[in-house]
Amino acid sequence: EVQLVESGGGLVQPGGSLRLSCSAYGFTSRSYWMHWVRQTPGKGLVWVSRINGDGSSTSYADSVKGRFTISRDNAKNTLYLQMNSLRAEDTAIYYCARGPGASFDPWGQGTLVTVSS
Amino acid sequence: QSALTQPASVSGSPGQSITISCTGTSSDVGGYNYVSWYQQHPGKVPKLMIYDVSNRPSGVSNRFSGSKSGNTASLTISGLQAEDEADYYCSSYTSSSSLVFGGGTKLTVL
Repeated sequence: EVQLVESGGGLVQPGGSLRLSCSAYGFTSRSYWMHWVRQTPGKGLVWVSRINGDGSSTSYADSVKGRFTISRDNAKNTLYLQMNSLRAEDTAIYYCARGPGASFDPWGQGTLVTVSS
Repeated sequence: QSALTQPASVSGSPGQSITISCTGTSSDVGGYNYVSWYQQHPGKVPKLMIYDVSNRPSGVSNRFSGSKSGNTASLTISGLQAEDEADYYCSSYTSSSSLVFGGGTKLTVL
């Protein structure tokens, strides 16, 4: 069964850092783009970042560019999101998603990141 | 990276058809056949319903269909059922090699 499992969320102070992980099961992740998408509870979906299969190409939303870094370890079938200089507006559920092409399928269950003092 | 424009809400009665629009620009929706649609029930993870404008993943009901004209994509749900009540989001690939979502549409089945 294809499955994505996120971890690493939690409470962090403004200006702090956090690294999210997404473990992939049931498929060879190097064959796919992978994405991070976030959602503030009660609000809409916002695309955050994507990385291609071998990690040589990345892209970011303007709101996180220069603060977040996406990476992957294909040997471990794991995707990462390093988040630095966190702000209150980064508070959200963070989902990882597999990208067959330019779509997202499947999605992980999400991990909650709360930025607050 | 402006969000795609969707109506905040739509509604319909069981058995009817509804259409949700998703308007972008020539740099996203109009420039690529990479529009997708997602269904999200409250407290649940989003589910892919349509990809590449009009393709349905395996297991998605054929009551769901997608299309595109110019800078506007559309999701049509025919034979509306109570279980279709959910939030729906469109997304598109963009000219800056990024992706962008619409603001979401709440579908109410009357």
